[in-house]
Amino acid sequence: GAGVSQSPSNKVTEKGKDVELRCDPISGHTALYWYRQRLGQGLEFLIYFQGNSAPDKSGLPSDRFSAERTGESVSTLTIQRTQQEDSAVYLCASSLGGLAGAQGSYNEQFFGPGTRLTVL
Amino acid sequence: AQKVTQAQTEISVVEKEDVTLDCVYETRDTTYYLFWYKQPPSGELVFLIRRNSFDEQNEISGRYSWNFQKSTSSFNFTITASQVVDSAVYFCALSEARIIFGKGTRLHILP
Repeated sequence: GAGVSQSPSNKVTEKGKDVELRCDPISGHTALYWYRQRLGQGLEFLIYFQGNSAPDKSGLPSDRFSAERTGESVSTLTIQRTQQEDSAVYLCASSLGGLAGAQGSYNEQFFGPGTRLTVL
Repeated sequence: AQKVTQAQTEISVVEKEDVTLDCVYETRDTTYYLFWYKQPPSGELVFLIRRNSFDEQNEISGRYSWNFQKSTSSFNFTITASQVVDSAVYFCALSEARIIFGKGTRLHILP
């Protein structure tokens, strides 16, 4: 089956515009994650969806960032009024089942290729 | 709070040398998972290994090996007989309530 896909692969926008980034997880994966990776930096957690539970939004850097997920399918990350510091690669990952906590739970993440966002 | 530290930001070795990438973590939980990922120049993250906190056995997979020591909260990764294709950024990660990544170690294998 297909892996995690993201679109667009590249997005160039002007400061102040809104952008939407899309993630299609692996079919059957109940968990979905968004990360941000600035140039030369590590991965910064943004948000986590698990099934029908309330999402963990604790990593969102500001109220300009929001994300939605319909059921256990596609997710959209929206950045409003983009700023130059939003320029980064936005990575999506999905996993079968939730995060660690129960012994034996399986939570390997499969990553998409990312969307490279450039804010001019 | 959970934290992952990869103290080595960048390492360069000559091909065929062995190299060890360090990872030290902090967590208050007794149940957690540790991971290593590889990010080659193409950018896509590649899963290498998952280890749960109850399993301290070291693991070897080809030229790769991992040393998990709970006593020192470390999960180090060794590449034996390195090759140019091993050049990448390597991330260590900890999964507790959510997954936290270290800042990565950029590995250059010189021909």
